[in-house]
Amino acid sequence: EDKVVQSPLSLVVHEGDTVTLNCSYEVTNFRSLLWYKQEKKAPTFLFMLTSSGIEKKSGRLSSILDKKELFSILNITATQTGDSAVYLCAGYSGGGADGLTFGKGTHLIIQP
Amino acid sequence: DAGITQSPRHKVTETGTPVTLRCHQTENHRYMYWYRQDPGHGLRLIHYSYGVKDTDKGEVSDGYSVSRSKTEDFLLTLESATSSQTSVYFCAISESATLGNTIYFGEGSWLTVV
Repeated sequence: EDKVVQSPLSLVVHEGDTVTLNCSYEVTNFRSLLWYKQEKKAPTFLFMLTSSGIEKKSGRLSSILDKKELFSILNITATQTGDSAVYLCAGYSGGGADGLTFGKGTHLIIQP
Repeated sequence: DAGITQSPRHKVTETGTPVTLRCHQTENHRYMYWYRQDPGHGLRLIHYSYGVKDTDKGEVSDGYSVSRSKTEDFLLTLESATSSQTSVYFCAISESATLGNTIYFGEGSWLTVV
């Protein structure tokens, strides 16, 4: 059975701090790893990582995949209160969304 | 934002009653999905559809049925709601089967079964 584990499950930091969210996976026929941000409503897509060691970046957010050690990290620098959300990681084994296995998410709270 | 509308957005119902949640998309995407999200479990796939009248079961399909008579609509039915089906339900759509552009989620439907 495919499994995705995120850590920590919750994290409280102060504005301006840098955070690192972790995602480890055991996914048969692994194709890619996806990160989503969920702010009370619909998860919104952040990154899709397919290749090991290549950093993807969007503003203050960046992510990288290690296919040897089977994990990914999501970094957020200079955090802002608007970064408060649940961050979801999902391993993808191919096919449609039936091939997606989600982790339980990391609940990130940024205090002013 | 992807054109996905879920209805109702909030519903309280009694145990044993049937409930139907509707997902409507304006993107003409072929693939549609129903997920439920619960504390401690994350997002879990209930059913999905890969075309009109083509559906299949996901990880947690027991107690649920779906129908897709039109490309734009995907209905999730709880034949006889139970308290364990209290959850947030998300509809999602994707254009291709390979998730090259990932999937897009609706805003969620909060269902409480009392």
